[in-house]
Amino acid sequence: DVKVTQSSRYLVKRTGEKVFLECVQDMDHENMFWYRQDPGLGLRLIYFSYDVKMKEKGDIPEGYSVSREKKERFSLILESASTNQTSMYLCASRKWGRGGGYTFGSGTRLTVV
Amino acid sequence: TQLLEQSPQFLSIQEGENLTVYCNSSSVFSSLQWYRQEPGEGPVLLVTVVTGGEVKKLKRLTFQFGDARKDSSLHITAAQPGDTGLYLCAGEVNGNQFYFGTGTSLTVIP
Repeated sequence: DVKVTQSSRYLVKRTGEKVFLECVQDMDHENMFWYRQDPGLGLRLIYFSYDVKMKEKGDIPEGYSVSREKKERFSLILESASTNQTSMYLCASRKWGRGGGYTFGSGTRLTVV
Repeated sequence: TQLLEQSPQFLSIQEGENLTVYCNSSSVFSSLQWYRQEPGEGPVLLVTVVTGGEVKKLKRLTFQFGDARKDSSLHITAAQPGDTGLYLCAGEVNGNQFYFGTGTSLTVIP
């Protein structure tokens, strides 16, 4: 069963901590994405990557960075966590080509206190 | 940022009823997808529509892409409790990126 795996389902971190969210996919997809999901705001794109070591800013990259050292792994980094980064974080992968769907992970519910 | 608006935002219906969810934009999309998300899980792809006017059926779910490729609808016939979830539409731009709507939260009461 193909999947996208996020390392943690729930995380609680303190303000100012550096936070790493890990995502691994086993479908050999070129493209990987990080979204955050908040009530009433839908899914908002933070960063995405077309290939190893490549990254592109999404709509809300401020306060985040990413790393893609291997094709199957895409990490989201919160450099200094703040309370407004409390959210559900969703990782997804997708194959190149028109019309192909996203495969999402189960999400990480991050709470910053 | 492309704006996709979904309506209604919340919908609560009795089992067996029919319903329609709408996804609207002022932008043209090369394709549009519908996802369903259950609590505590990530969204799961239901369907992709590509051609203006296209209609696709998935059991009791009927999806339609507007003629101008700016809007879409999802119709569920004889809703069941298992249809409960958050329904998201996503419009494709530039061949590799999608913009998601804000979602319709559906509750089907047994």
